[in-house]
Amino acid sequence: KNQVEQSPQSLIILEGKNCTLQCNYTVSPFSNLRWYKQDTGRGPVSLTIMTFSENTKSNGRYTATLDADTKQSSLHITASQLSDSASYICVVSTDYKLSFGAGTTVTVRA
Amino acid sequence: NAGVTQTPKFRVLKTGQSMTLLCAQDMNHEYMYWYRQDPGMGLRLIHYSVGEGTTAKGEVPDGYNVSRLKKQNFLLGLESAAPSQTSVYFCASSYNLGGTGELFFGEGSRLTVL
Repeated sequence: KNQVEQSPQSLIILEGKNCTLQCNYTVSPFSNLRWYKQDTGRGPVSLTIMTFSENTKSNGRYTATLDADTKQSSLHITASQLSDSASYICVVSTDYKLSFGAGTTVTVRA
Repeated sequence: NAGVTQTPKFRVLKTGQSMTLLCAQDMNHEYMYWYRQDPGMGLRLIHYSVGEGTTAKGEVPDGYNVSRLKKQNFLLGLESAAPSQTSVYFCASSYNLGGTGELFFGEGSRLTVL
């Protein structure tokens, strides 16, 4: 069983709307949690990295939250744009190992 | 600044053939990784390297070999390709192992084994 579970698997939203992606993990000991954006046919690109002591971090219209007590994270996309159509991958790190979620595919429609 | 470059981007092999994927990075990173990405699954680590001349096994190393003869290059080899190795392969590099080190990925190499 994957130690990093993401939901939903996929979602479709209208341009300009907001959405929230979820990531639950069981990885231990926890070092940091990362969100990556992967455009179709491209490699993943880092959006945010959060350590244990950080509970929110923003990168433009992307805001990630972390609850290390419940082992949950979310990625909120505000005022979505067509260019936000991509797969979003949650990655949880111990000191020496990265565990990847399967990703959430977001499709933004005009 | 190219970052991480993978070649080739696409390749079709027949079962039993061999091939090598090349990864090159220009960021002077010590650490390099090879992952495979399959539908519905997270990226899985095949092999990694913590410096020139060193390699180590990841989660799914069987059927693959790697070499890091130069710091900037990390090669992934398939000696006898199998259909189960059909996947998209990603190379990545970082300045440290785990921690908060930024991981930089290449664009991927799509391999199909018939």
